[in-house]
Amino acid sequence: DAGVTQSPTHLIKTRGQHVTLRCSPISGHKSVSWYQQVLGQGPQFIFQYYEKEERGRGNFPDRFSARQFPNYSSELNVNALLLGDSALYLCASSLGRESYEQYFGPGTRLTVT
Amino acid sequence: GIQVEQSPPDLILQEGANSTLRCNFSDSVNNLQWFHQNPWGQLINLFYIPSGTKQNGRLSATTVATERYSLLYISSSQTTDSGVYFCAVERGGGGATNKLIFGTGTLLAVQP
Repeated sequence: DAGVTQSPTHLIKTRGQHVTLRCSPISGHKSVSWYQQVLGQGPQFIFQYYEKEERGRGNFPDRFSARQFPNYSSELNVNALLLGDSALYLCASSLGRESYEQYFGPGTRLTVT
Repeated sequence: GIQVEQSPPDLILQEGANSTLRCNFSDSVNNLQWFHQNPWGQLINLFYIPSGTKQNGRLSATTVATERYSLLYISSSQTTDSGVYFCAVERGGGGATNKLIFGTGTLLAVQP
């Protein structure tokens, strides 16, 4: 079975631009979470979506938004990019809303210049 | 919020040596996972272990939830074990989400 997939793998954007990152969960998983990992740190929680509704939000500005589609895939959108948004963006999927093992995709490496 | 601390921060081993990595957390948890992050950034699941002991080949893990710590044991280390090891927990209690809180990680280097 395919694992969690993310696209694109790498992305270079300019300050002020907008970016959309995509994630497809493991088949049968209904929960998708997004994390940001800056160099030298552990991943930080951004959002969780379960059954197409936002179930949790981390301490990130409103420039960050996400949605989940009927097939449980998800998009993370970041507006008005800042240099500090340069990071590895990780998507994780799990069976349910809480207390389930999470599986991570390979990530999208975003560089903002 | 819940705090997750890992030790040691860095570890250098000779191939074949054994090691123990520790994860301390400050509150009750519903979920605890150990990950290995490879040089390309992929987080590889090692254990889902909110309590008890599990073994998988040369790796084993123990979580003592009542004392709020978990240990990851690596035996007969290999160069391919090199990378960053993360402990991540999900807060316990009602209304919890899948939010994982990661520790600061242990950077392991296994030398041939």
